[in-house]
This record gives sequence, structure tokens and C-alpha cells, in this order.
Amino acid sequence: GESVGLHLPTLSVQEGDNSIINCAYSNSASDYFIWYKQESGKGPQFIIDIRSNMDKRQGQRVTVLLNKTVKHLSLQIAATQPGDSAVYFCAEIGNAGNMLTFGGGTRLMVKP
Amino acid sequence: NAGVTQTPKFRVLKTGQSMTLLCAQDMNHEYMYWYRQDPGMGLRLIHYSVGEGTTAKGEVPDGYNVSRLKKQNFLLGLESAAPSQTSVYFCASSYSQETQYFGPGTRLLVL
Repeated sequence: GESVGLHLPTLSVQEGDNSIINCAYSNSASDYFIWYKQESGKGPQFIIDIRSNMDKRQGQRVTVLLNKTVKHLSLQIAATQPGDSAVYFCAEIGNAGNMLTFGGGTRLMVKP
Repeated sequence: NAGVTQTPKFRVLKTGQSMTLLCAQDMNHEYMYWYRQDPGMGLRLIHYSVGEGTTAKGEVPDGYNVSRLKKQNFLLGLESAAPSQTSVYFCASSYSQETQYFGPGTRLLVL
């Protein structure tokens, strides 16, 4: 069925380096995507979103890229900091009654 | 604004017991949701509500019931808890069907 998934379950980066977290989606009809950050013991926190009519959107230290041709979404974090250590989820407006469908998550570990 | 709050934060149940999880939001959001999150997995939608007095099934509704008697509250009930319902439960709310704001979660252990 339609699904949202992630390529890598764990990503380890050096503090100060840039991080790239990837997400593949299969529902070509999806038109809205969100990245969430979840720290240990907390609920998911909204980071950034993008609509399908855009290829790129930038926030503070974060950039989301959308490639509709290959149905791929990525989250780029510039100058990664220890506070960025968390699990990151991508989500799409999917096929469950137009509710958000979440991917499995990628754990980002930042080495000092 | 408190945002989305959940009570209780943690609960231990015996198999067959019942309980209700309470979610409250003070953002005047129409949409509210209940998810469960199992170790190493993403969030799965249990039930949701698009407005006061309405509820609908999500991806994994079996074993759960919900009620939305007031716009600000969304209750999740377990009538007869099973060990398979051991999980972390997250409530969320949203103004539209897009960006959802999450509560801190309720950890449930069913023995």
C-alpha cells in the first residue's frame, strides 16, 4: 500500500557538520509534507513543511527539498548542534482519510 | 497557552482493566488525533475527530474508543486492556488537516 519511509534508521554526524535526512514516499498524489523532530521522552515537534508545488523551502538552519520525480524528501540541517540529536520523522497527507501518514523515523546522533 | 496536554503521564494496567486517557487543547483547534508509538516505530493513527461530536477510525482503531463531547477535549478509552496495547500514546490537534501539534505523551504498560 501507500507508505512513507526512511532510507537510514540512524545518522551520526560531527558537531558543526551539515546533516541530511532522507525520506521516500510512494503516494504520488500526496501534496503536503512535514518534518517533525522528536526528542527522547517528548512528543513530536513541527520543524518545517512543504507543499508539492515547491521544490525547496528554508527555515532557520533547516532546508527541506522535495523531488517529486523520484518521490523523495530530504531535511538538511546546517551546522548541526548537540541539541539537534533526536529522531526525525517525515509525514505526508496520505490516503487514510486525508490524515497525516508518518514514516518510521531516523535517529540523528551528533558527536561533540 | 498550554498547547496540548495529556493526562496521565504514565499508567500501569492489568490485562482486562479499563482506563481513559484525556487530551486537552487550548488552541481552539477543530481537529484532534490519537496516535500510538511503539519502540523504534513511527506514529500510527488510532482515531481522530474533525470537530466536536464527531469521531472517525484511523489506521489501528481496534480495542479503542474515543469521544469528543467538548471541542477542547478528546478522550481515548481502553475497555479491556491487552499487553499488545503497551505503548506510548500521543494526542495531537490541528487547525486544518495539516500541521499537527503534539502533547507530551502517555506511557501505558499493560501487564
